[in-house]
Amino acid sequence: NAGVTQTPKFQVLKTGQSMTLQCAQDMNHNSMYWYRQDPGMGLRLIYYSASEGTTDKGEVPNGYNVSRLNKREFSLRLESAAPSQTSVYFCASSEEAAGEGYEQYFGPGTRLTVT
Amino acid sequence: QKEVEQNSGPLSVPEGAIASLNCTYSDRGSQSFFWYRQYSGKSPELIMSIYSNGDKEDGRFTAQLNKASQYVSLLIRDSQPSDSATYLCAVNMGLDSNYQLIWGAGTKLIIKP
Repeated sequence: NAGVTQTPKFQVLKTGQSMTLQCAQDMNHNSMYWYRQDPGMGLRLIYYSASEGTTDKGEVPNGYNVSRLNKREFSLRLESAAPSQTSVYFCASSEEAAGEGYEQYFGPGTRLTVT
Repeated sequence: QKEVEQNSGPLSVPEGAIASLNCTYSDRGSQSFFWYRQYSGKSPELIMSIYSNGDKEDGRFTAQLNKASQYVSLLIRDSQPSDSATYLCAVNMGLDSNYQLIWGAGTKLIIKP
């Protein structure tokens, strides 16, 4: 049981290049999320998918697109990378815990540098 | 604007003492509260969730929730050097969305041997 996996772990892009960050979970969770984390700041939600077939914008969606490929996989695409997108990107998944809240579980992260 | 506030620290605590971490939130409709631990260069790891007023204990960790005062705290008893990390408080977005969490910026905790 790998939990949440992300690829790649590290990436360096030049301004204007595109790339897709991959995320997969094997916990059969319905909801998945993409966050970015910058130094000294909390996690900021980019996009989320409450269930297979749906995606919604989070706090900072500009410059990103997502695809919920199936229940397991949720990808994040940068169409034209900018230096402001240099960050650590985390994917997470969640399921309602015993009828209460949605506990989120995180992947190891992708460290992206845009030059 | 819904917010979660944490003291950024660092909070320095002697080994073996109790570390107390605090978090306040702005949305009275929030129902779910979480504490995550994040080691440097690693991803956040869920350590406690709490949904009802009062205390919830799990090993050396105790989460405390006071909805009337809109704060949630985490106590770590018998602090160990391995507890040195950044602790993130997260709160659900209340009635707007149970799926989404609002995150504090984290408190850096340092346990001194």
